[in-house]
Amino acid sequence: AQSVTQLGSHVSVSEGALVLLRCNYSSSVPPYLFWYVQYPNQGLQLLLKYTTGATLVKGINGFEAEFKKSETSFHLTKPSAHMSDAAEYFCAVTSNTNAGKSTFGDGTTLTVKP
Amino acid sequence: NAGVMQNPRHLVRRRGQEARLRCSPMKGHSHVYWYRQLPEEGLKFMVYLQKENIIDESGMPKERFSAEFPKEGPSILRIQQVVRGDSAAYFCASSLRIAGAQETQYFGPGTRLLVL
Repeated sequence: AQSVTQLGSHVSVSEGALVLLRCNYSSSVPPYLFWYVQYPNQGLQLLLKYTTGATLVKGINGFEAEFKKSETSFHLTKPSAHMSDAAEYFCAVTSNTNAGKSTFGDGTTLTVKP
Repeated sequence: NAGVMQNPRHLVRRRGQEARLRCSPMKGHSHVYWYRQLPEEGLKFMVYLQKENIIDESGMPKERFSAEFPKEGPSILRIQQVVRGDSAAYFCASSLRIAGAQETQYFGPGTRLLVL
């Protein structure tokens, strides 16, 4: 079984401030972890993913995430927020035993204040 | 290189009618996944199909919902006798091979179904 918890359904930051979106997962087998961004009335776009190897993963638009097995976390960060980062962000988990079936968190809406 | 296509983008149905949602995967992709997103929630897996085969339908409601991915043409998600609780955004994703570590699922823009 696998699950994802995103802490904080809404996060608000000022432009230029650090963005931190939290994701904790549960998986009985080694997980593969993903972050997606969704703009209003659009589909999901992959930001980054962790499969194996380096635990610090860099993605598009300056985002990165670190896989911490001991904390079962995969938090998403960006050093300096832009107005264009305002969107909904989803963390997802899958595994080789659940291939094809991603489990998503409920999402975090990021607001960026000028 | 077109991405995943879904149509219609918006669909309005009255209770009891049928809804047909179409998904054309990316060129060369033979794996299709359907997800449902209820308001204020994340995506929930519904079904995973390959050409002419349903691989995993563990997320599909037992009644009124069906999916297919024929040899030719798009994948279809069919909802019979819709009820208000079916109102949601339905997303399709595709991958070249089975999605997992090495394969990314590419998502379509979704179909927003509203049941009156």
